[in-house]
Amino acid sequence: SAVISQKPSRDICQRGTSLTIQCQVDSQVTMMFWYRQQPGQSLTLIATANQGSEATYESGFVIDKFPISRPNLTFSTLTVSNMSPEDSSIYLCSVEGGSGASDTFGSGTRLTVV
Amino acid sequence: DAKTTQPNSMESNEEEPVHLPCNHSTISGTDYIHWYRQLPSQGPEYVIHGLTSNVNNRMASLAIAEDRKSSTLILHRATLRDAAVYYCILRGGWAGGTSYGKLTFGQGTILTVHP
Repeated sequence: SAVISQKPSRDICQRGTSLTIQCQVDSQVTMMFWYRQQPGQSLTLIATANQGSEATYESGFVIDKFPISRPNLTFSTLTVSNMSPEDSSIYLCSVEGGSGASDTFGSGTRLTVV
Repeated sequence: DAKTTQPNSMESNEEEPVHLPCNHSTISGTDYIHWYRQLPSQGPEYVIHGLTSNVNNRMASLAIAEDRKSSTLILHRATLRDAAVYYCILRGGWAGGTSYGKLTFGQGTILTVHP
């Protein structure tokens, strides 16, 4: 299965600023996913990033707030823009397994907005 | 997306088997049953998946009811390292295109393992 490097692992940011999270995969993958996990909650899908096309956002998430780039088959970024304390969460990327059986997740970025 | 229902929490003793139930009464004929788990401070990891027949791998076994409206994840001998949140998720099979589709996580079952 793929190996994912997600950076940064954690950050503390001032409100009103933006943070870009990087997700690097050790093999070429078609589909990448970005999730948010709020404190004590389950994972919620933010968007699906397919290389060469615009990301597809889930209900409640918009591109202006969470712009995503997918420049090639091994890399993606998620930016959390104009942050507020409500954005304090863990953000995770994942890639779809080649057989559809097992998605692989990054270790997550723990974001605290103060 | 078809919905799954799991108990909020379960407890087990180390070295004993654990049976984690999942109800999915609205499952469609092409939905696979996937299990992931999330250890503390880590991203989710794949455990097992199946369609109709029971499945075994090095981590666990998956028992699927004949009507497919429920399933059970079986950890044969729980260890302290198995303490995690276990998610039962339905996912469509390959239907062409570029993806199997998204994973929709419910609240999962928090498994506590006692030494």
